[in-house]
Parts: sequence; structure tokens; C-alpha cells
Amino acid sequence: KQEVTQIPAALSVPEGENLVLNCSFTDSAIYNLQWFRQDPGKGLTSLLLIQSSQREQTSGRLNASLDKSSGRSTLYIAASQPGDSATYLCAVGTITQGGSEKLVFGKGTKLTVNP
Amino acid sequence: EPEVTQTPSHQVTQMGQEVILRCVPISNHLYFYWYRQILGQKVEFLVSFYNNEISEKSEIFDDQFSVERPDGSNFTLKIRSTKLEDSAMYFCASSEWLTGTSYEQYFGPGTRLTVT
Repeated sequence: KQEVTQIPAALSVPEGENLVLNCSFTDSAIYNLQWFRQDPGKGLTSLLLIQSSQREQTSGRLNASLDKSSGRSTLYIAASQPGDSATYLCAVGTITQGGSEKLVFGKGTKLTVNP
Repeated sequence: EPEVTQTPSHQVTQMGQEVILRCVPISNHLYFYWYRQILGQKVEFLVSFYNNEISEKSEIFDDQFSVERPDGSNFTLKIRSTKLEDSAMYFCASSEWLTGTSYEQYFGPGTRLTVT
């Protein structure tokens, strides 16, 4: 059974700092990996999708890497801003027997960027 | 930009009552999903739906749950007889055709279900 772990559970940094969020998963037979942002009481906003054949994806100040063989992904946030404060979720996509995809989520890292 | 919408945003119901949560997926998407997040816990997969039938369901998705696409735009999750432990945020998601290249799942804002 796929298990996804995110470390740290919470992180507080000063504005402008570069930071790395970590995600690990137990089964390397994944289809893709998505990073999401969740604001308190809100839905999930997709940040980046990495296909299983890819090593990294970039979007603006965000860069996500994937090492399938070691079961790890990182989300790098450059020049953090107070608006980046949110919970960041890592989700691993696996193909089900029915041919659809399901996401298995980690518990998230709660990021606070202090002005 | 197209988005997944969900109604209501918050539903309060008494234990034993039936509830229907509604979702409008992105119009050209063909795969639909329900997930739930109990307060303080991980987001959990409930069910996926494709071509008017369930593609996969989790252990959580027992006989009390059902899904339906009653028309060309709506996708619903019904809980027949709610329990206290069904209190959670329920997220609907959708994605495009899955043919060897995976697509992002786009999530709605969620419905907070409170069972009293």
C-alpha cells in the first residue's frame, strides 16, 4: 500500500528565504506526482505535475524534482513571500485496476513566511 | 480559466439523514473523482468515475455511498444515512482523458459536511 510522508510538518521562514519541502513515498511504481497548495478551509490548487518519466518541473519560483527510484520528491520555493504561506501537499498518482488514476496524499507541510 | 465548482459550500445534517453533494466538473474532462479530508487528516481517495460507471473505489466507499452523473454537467455524491464520522471536507476533482499520458486532477473548493 502506497504511503506518502512529508517532512517537515511545519516550517516558518523569514521573507526572501529559499526553502525546500520534502516528500517521500514507499512504492516507486507511480504514474505521476502532483504538488498542491491548500489555504485554510479552502480547496486544493495544483502547483506542479511531474510525470513519472520526468526528473523536474518548474513554474515561476517553484521547482519540483522527482527521484522515483529513491521514492523522493522535493518542492523548492525561491525567494519566499508572505503570500506563499499555506499548506503544501504532495500527492502520488497511481493507476487503478479500473484504468483510472487515484492520488495518494501526504499530510502536508504548513509553511509560514514571516514579513 | 475553467474550474470545478461544488455546492453547497457547507452542509449541516443530522445523523441518519441522506445528503447529496454536487459538483460540476470542467466541461471537457472525462474522469471524475471524490476525495475527502477529515479535519487534521490526509486527503483520502473515495471513488473515480468514467464513462458513466465507477472505475475504482476505496474501502471507505461502502454501500452508504453512491455517485451519479445525472446529466451532462453534474456529478453527485450521495451518502444514504450519514454518520458522525462522515463529517469532513469533500472534494470533487476532474481530469482529461488518460491515455498513457497523465493529466492533472483539478479540484473544486470542497463541501464541508457536518453531521450532528
